Amino acid sequence: EAGVTQSPTHLIKTRGQQATLRCSPISGHTSVYWYQQALGLGLQFLLWYDEGEERNRGNFPPRFSGRQFPNYSSELNVNALELEDSALYLCASSLGRAIAKNIQYFGAGTRLSVL
Amino acid sequence: AQTVTQSQPEMSVQEAETVTLSCTYDTSESDYYLFWYKQPPSRQMILVIRQEAYKQQNATENRFSVNFQKAAKSFSLKISDSQLGDAAMYFCAYRSRNDMRFGAGTRLTVKP
Repeated sequence: EAGVTQSPTHLIKTRGQQATLRCSPISGHTSVYWYQQALGLGLQFLLWYDEGEERNRGNFPPRFSGRQFPNYSSELNVNALELEDSALYLCASSLGRAIAKNIQYFGAGTRLSVL
Repeated sequence: AQTVTQSQPEMSVQEAETVTLSCTYDTSESDYYLFWYKQPPSRQMILVIRQEAYKQQNATENRFSVNFQKAAKSFSLKISDSQLGDAAMYFCAYRSRNDMRFGAGTRLTVKP
C-alpha cells in the first residue's frame, strides 16, 4: 500500500511568486495535515483538512492557504513568497478527524527554496 | 493554546547505552494523546510510541519506553540499548480532539 506522497520533491521560486505543493494521503485516510519545518525551528502546524473542510489552522498569514479535494488529496498554496518561507513542507494523513489517538503518517516532504 | 516543550536541542549517547529525551506540555484538556515521532536523516517522519492520557501504565515498544507523569505534564522517552540507527531528530507531539502541537525536536547522536 502506498504511503503519503508529496510532489514536487524540490521547488525553487523567487520572491513574490506563488508556490503550489501537493499531497496524496494513504488510501482510506480522510484527514490531511500540513506542517512547515524551517531550519532549526522544529515542526510548525499550518493547516488541517478533513473531508474537504478546513478544521484548524496554525498561526500563519492568510497567504498560506490550501484545499482538500473529493479524493482527499490536498494542495497547499503559498502566495507572495518571502525568503523566510524557505523550508521543508511536510504533509501527513490520518484516519478520521476528531479522534486524537489516530497516528499521523508523514510524507517525505517538499523542499521549497525562495530566492 | 497548548504548548509542547523539548528542552534538549541535542543529545548524544554511546551505542548500547540508555538515553532519555525530555518533553513537557501544557494543556487544560483531559482527553488527549501524546506521541514521539522520529525523523531520520532521510526525512520521513515515523511514529515511535504513543500514550493515551487516561492510561496510567507507561507505553512500551521494544527498546522504547515512556515515563508519563500526567500531573507534572511530563512525557519523556527512554531508549535502551541504543543503536546507530536510532540517530535522528525526535519530536514530542500532543494531540487532542481539535488540536495538535509538536515540540521543537531533539537531535540524537549515537556514538559507536
